[in-house]
Amino acid sequence: SAVISQKPSRDICQRGTSLTIQCQVDSQVTMMFWYRQQPGQSLTLIATANQGSEATYESGFVIDKFPISRPNLTFSTLTVSNMSPEDSSIYLCSAPLGTSGREAIFGPGTRLTVL
Amino acid sequence: GESVGLHLPTLSVQEGDNSIINCAYSNSASDYFIWYKQESGKGPQFIIDIRSNMDKRQGQRVTVLLNKTVKHLSLQIAATQPGDSAVYFCAENSYGGSQGNLIFGKGTKLSVKP
Repeated sequence: SAVISQKPSRDICQRGTSLTIQCQVDSQVTMMFWYRQQPGQSLTLIATANQGSEATYESGFVIDKFPISRPNLTFSTLTVSNMSPEDSSIYLCSAPLGTSGREAIFGPGTRLTVL
Repeated sequence: GESVGLHLPTLSVQEGDNSIINCAYSNSASDYFIWYKQESGKGPQFIIDIRSNMDKRQGQRVTVLLNKTVKHLSLQIAATQPGDSAVYFCAENSYGGSQGNLIFGKGTKLSVKP
């Protein structure tokens, strides 16, 4: 089955700094997705990362805060910029890799704590 | 706006009993639904899915029921085991929506008592 990995698995960062999270998929996919999961809550879609074009952001998320790169069909990065404690969350990437073609497979997540 | 939500935030069951986790959705355009299991420190793991042209689908020890009339989805786990303890999320995708772009419900924490 398809595998998605993320780096780092966790990090503790200082307010005002930025962190770039990497997502690697072991097969080529057209779309990759970035989700945020705040403590004790559900997942919220941040943006869709399309290869060869700009990412598509959901309401409430902007490119200046969460710039995304998608240099090829197996890799994407999400940067959390100018961090504040409110950005402390788990950040997950996913791709439609399931047998149905619509089922999203998720990476293990990056647990971010901002002090 | 359109959303997917859950009736019960927590559920505690005895080992060996059956568990039922419920989910309500409001987007009538949703035509594909998934149940995910998320264990502590891990990403969501696919359990079972169902399309809107079905009302029931069975897997190994799990059954998903879909009632489009009342926009209700449920996950039944038979003979619940301690390893089933996790947070369970329903998620939906709409026809015409991007593949893999899902709207998640709030989640139900399932605790299994030995």
